[in-house]
Amino acid sequence: QSVLTQPPSVSAAPGQKVTISCSGSSSNIGNNYVSWYQQLPGTAPKVLIYENNKRPSGIPDRFSGSKSGTSATLGITGLQTGDEADYYCGTWDSSLSGAVFGGGTQLTVL
Amino acid sequence: QVQLVQSGAEVKKSGASGKISCKASGYTFTTYAINWVRQAPGQRLEWMGWINTGNGYTIYSQKFQGRLTITRDTSATTAYMELSRLRSEDTAVYYCARWDGRIYTFDIWGQGTMVTVSS
Repeated sequence: QSVLTQPPSVSAAPGQKVTISCSGSSSNIGNNYVSWYQQLPGTAPKVLIYENNKRPSGIPDRFSGSKSGTSATLGITGLQTGDEADYYCGTWDSSLSGAVFGGGTQLTVL
Repeated sequence: QVQLVQSGAEVKKSGASGKISCKASGYTFTTYAINWVRQAPGQRLEWMGWINTGNGYTIYSQKFQGRLTITRDTSATTAYMELSRLRSEDTAVYYCARWDGRIYTFDIWGQGTMVTVSS
């Protein structure tokens, strides 16, 4: 059972927009920064969003992040087939004294 | 460029120990903590622990206490993760990941090391 809860899957057509939610608690999302990671099939995760809503250099502005209370959201606009991947939210959990991840959301671009 | 390169895949017998290396390059090794994260087949990412590469201080997930040892060799700019008393449930891809404390994220990941535990 993951400490952070994500929907198992989302799908949308090319060019459309999709959002992925991540729900936690006051010990993790509520009091710590959230990151989002993209994991393409057979590869290591890559950071898309850090500090709730910031993008590393090289990440297109089609990807956005937000946080409110104990939940966070990843948004992807202008969907491309290359965006098909698993997406994970992650943060620090002060009660567990360790990093925690969501269960992952598989994005399908129909 | 900044990268973490891990050692190759391993096959281990139940009850054995396994040790994976993570070689850092392209940055000052002792400036960033190294974490270990694993992913069982088809499963989520699971944080295992981390090491302060400057002073060697470690924090382990409660789940792995007593079985996990993370070390580092600063002269070799390499971190190591050793998991003992392996069981079939430990079959997974193991990743090392650099923690950037300035931006609170795992910004660089190794390519992953597949460990298969067989009986």
